[in-house]
Parts: sequence; structure tokens; C-alpha cells
Amino acid sequence: AQSVTQPDIHITVSEGASLELRCNYSYGATPYLFWYVQSPGQGLQLLLKYFSGDTLVQGIKGFEAEFKRSQSSFNLRKPSVHWSDAAEYFCAVGDNYGGSQGNLIFGKGTKLSVKP
Amino acid sequence: GAGVSQSPSNKVTEKGKDVELRCDPISGHTALYWYRQRLGQGLEFLIYFQGNSAPDKSGLPSDRFSAERTGESVSTLTIQRTQQEDSAVYLCASSSTSGAHYEQYFGPGTRLTVT
Repeated sequence: AQSVTQPDIHITVSEGASLELRCNYSYGATPYLFWYVQSPGQGLQLLLKYFSGDTLVQGIKGFEAEFKRSQSSFNLRKPSVHWSDAAEYFCAVGDNYGGSQGNLIFGKGTKLSVKP
Repeated sequence: GAGVSQSPSNKVTEKGKDVELRCDPISGHTALYWYRQRLGQGLEFLIYFQGNSAPDKSGLPSDRFSAERTGESVSTLTIQRTQQEDSAVYLCASSSTSGAHYEQYFGPGTRLTVT
């Protein structure tokens, strides 16, 4: 069955430090991969997505992610974290397997805290 | 333009009561998705609509859950005889059409608390 694993439940980094959030997926076909951010009291916002082509994708707010098929991973990175990046981050794979419905399968999320 | 809206934003109900949650998608979006987010969990897919048709209802947790959509506009998720385990944030998303490569835009959610 398709699944997404985010191994880190909670990460704390200092402001200005680099960040990497891990995501591994299990999917039987070419995956469509997404990272979403959920700030307190806010809806989910799409940070970036990967469908095909260049395996390093750039997103909003200075985030990037790299698709590594051999490792079934799609890790999210940011070179310098800002206090406003504190939020919960969700990795997701788009389920197009066997049809065109396209619902998202989400990981359980990683909560990011930023120290001053 | 207007995004996806959901109402109510918060709902507290007694165990055994029925509740209706509403979603207004972005105008022109033909695909609409419902998800559930329990505390400390990721989002769990419930059901999707392409137009007013729901081809796959297998994500609904039990027969107490149902959903309908009027044309390509508002959708209602109904939970009958609510149980405490139904407490969660219910999120709605819409996209221009169905398919994994079309971006889904999420509403702010309805927080349901069953006492």
C-alpha cells in the first residue's frame, strides 16, 4: 500500500541554521510528491511539488527538496531558517495509481520549532 | 480571488448527535476532496468528488459518514450519531480537476469536538 513516512516528529533548530526534514515514500508507480506547511490556525499551504524532470525542485519561502528515487526519499531543505518558519510540515504523495482521482496520502508531519 | 471556505470553523456536539460540515470550493474547480486530521496525525483521505459524482467512497471510516455535492459547488459532509473518535479537524480541498498533478487548495478546516 502507498504510504509516506516522516521519521522526525519534532525538530528544533536555531534561527539562521540550516534545516532538513526527511520524507520517505512507498509507491508503486512514478510518484507525484508534495510538501505542505501548516501554521497554527492556518490551512495547508503548498511549498513545492515534484512531478518529473529535474530532481531538485525549488519552492516558496526559500525551500527546496530533492527527489531521490534510489532512496525513495523527498527531503525538504532550507539553508537558513527564520523564526517565521516555525510550523508543521507535511510530506505527501499524490495517489494517481489505478485512476485519476488524485487524492493525497500524507505523512504524520514534522513540527518545527525555531530557537532565537 | 476567494479561496476555499469551510463552515463552521468550530463545532462542539454531544455524542450521538448528527453534524453537517460545509465546504465552498474555489469557483470553477471541479474536483473536491475531504480529509480528516486527528490530533497528532497526518491527514486522512475521506472522499473526493469530480463534479457531483463521488467515484470512490472507500475512505469514509464508517457508514455514519456521508457526503454530497451540489453540481460543482458546495459540498456537505454529514456525520450521523457522532462518536468521540470523530473529534478531529475536517479539511476540504479543491482543484481545477481531479488528478494527482493538479494542485489542491485547502480550506481552513472545521474543528469538530464530540463530548
